[in-house]
Amino acid sequence: NAGVTQTPKFQVLKTGQSMTLQCAQDMNHEYMSWYRQDPGMGLRLIHYSVGAGITDQGEVPNGYNVSRSTTEDFPLRLLSAAPSQTSVYFCASSPGRELNTEAFFGQGTRLTVV
Amino acid sequence: AQKVTQAQTEISVVEKEDVTLDCVYETRDTTYYLFWYKQPPSGELVFLIRRNSFDEQNEISGRYSWNFQKSTSSFNFTITASQVVDSAVYFCALSYYYGGATNKLIFGTGTLLAVQP
Repeated sequence: NAGVTQTPKFQVLKTGQSMTLQCAQDMNHEYMSWYRQDPGMGLRLIHYSVGAGITDQGEVPNGYNVSRSTTEDFPLRLLSAAPSQTSVYFCASSPGRELNTEAFFGQGTRLTVV
Repeated sequence: AQKVTQAQTEISVVEKEDVTLDCVYETRDTTYYLFWYKQPPSGELVFLIRRNSFDEQNEISGRYSWNFQKSTSSFNFTITASQVVDSAVYFCALSYYYGGATNKLIFGTGTLLAVQP
């Protein structure tokens, strides 16, 4: 009954450090995505994937990389962390590419870059 | 361009009051879906409802109701007899086709609802 699991839940990074936010889903969902949530900005799409081996950019992709080697996992990499990347990050998955498919969200990762 | 606007940043009500959360969207597409999600203080986003662009029937689920009006591009959410457990951030979202067969889900900025006992 895990759904979408994100790790870690909290992280503090120094400027310039790199790290990977992990996201795994056990629902065999085809579609996965990463959002960041900032005060007054809502959720903004960073990257998404429509299946293993396929990724594409969202609204705010700069400074982030993703890969999708398996259906289950969709890690988000911060290459060189900047204070502007301080945010809450949400991973989501959905069963397909149809418009009506609801997204299932992880519990979020709160990242602070100092 | 696609856009979702939630003009109400914060709303505070007293328990048992009715409250309406506004959502206005922009799209040139004729086929799309609208969603509402709830984000309680614990942080996770929870799906509440979806509505397709061809179905303007209002929906009622317990104390929750949704009013979709294409003429005003609005998809408003009403909570009747609010309760403290309704305190959360509520997001309206638009799902549309992007680049052919892939859908994108974009969100409004959210409305923080505080229900006081």
